[in-house]
Amino acid sequence: QKEVEQDPGPLSVPEGAIVSLNCTYSNSAFQYFMWYRQYSRKGPELLMYTYSSGNKEDGRFTAQVDKSSKYISLFIRDSQPSDSATYLCAMGSGNTPLVFGKGTRLSVIA
Amino acid sequence: DADVTQTPRNRITKTGKRIMLECSQTKGHDRMYWYRQDPGLGLRLIYYSFDVKDINKGEISDGYSVSRQAQAKFSLSLESAIPNQTALYFCATSEGQLYQPQHFGDGTRLSIL
Repeated sequence: QKEVEQDPGPLSVPEGAIVSLNCTYSNSAFQYFMWYRQYSRKGPELLMYTYSSGNKEDGRFTAQVDKSSKYISLFIRDSQPSDSATYLCAMGSGNTPLVFGKGTRLSVIA
Repeated sequence: DADVTQTPRNRITKTGKRIMLECSQTKGHDRMYWYRQDPGLGLRLIYYSFDVKDINKGEISDGYSVSRQAQAKFSLSLESAIPNQTALYFCATSEGQLYQPQHFGDGTRLSIL
């Protein structure tokens, strides 16, 4: 079993839809959770950073962590064509470098 | 100017050639990383460095070497390039502990013929 599992998609949604992106993980030591957005021909850029369980909101984006289920989510409200990108989750425990999911490709259709 | 700058942005070369990819940063971070990204395989860590005296192997270090010339500079070398090293290469930096977020450059697209 991979440490971090992420559905590669592609996921295609109409503009204005609510998007849900998810990752599951197996290492219970992970306490730090991140979401990155990567546009074509660009490097990943940090979207959200959370510690332990709970929710964090930033504008149209909400990150959710459920450590009991080893499951994290990123919700995008009122999705826009500019949200079309690949989204990567990442996790850390302090003793080793971050572990990244393989990314989910999202297309928001106008 | 970008905080993490990678050069070159694109490179095409032949099997057996020695190649160096360079990364410089203005963020003042101590930790620097090299990744490769392949379709379907995601980001895979090649090497990482805590400071100029500390180099650590990542998941896929075979066939690669690195040099940390200064706090702000970290280069990746392919001593004798082979076609399956064709990939997108990213440099990243972070501060503090390993669980801190990483900040990425825009990558080098490397093709080995």
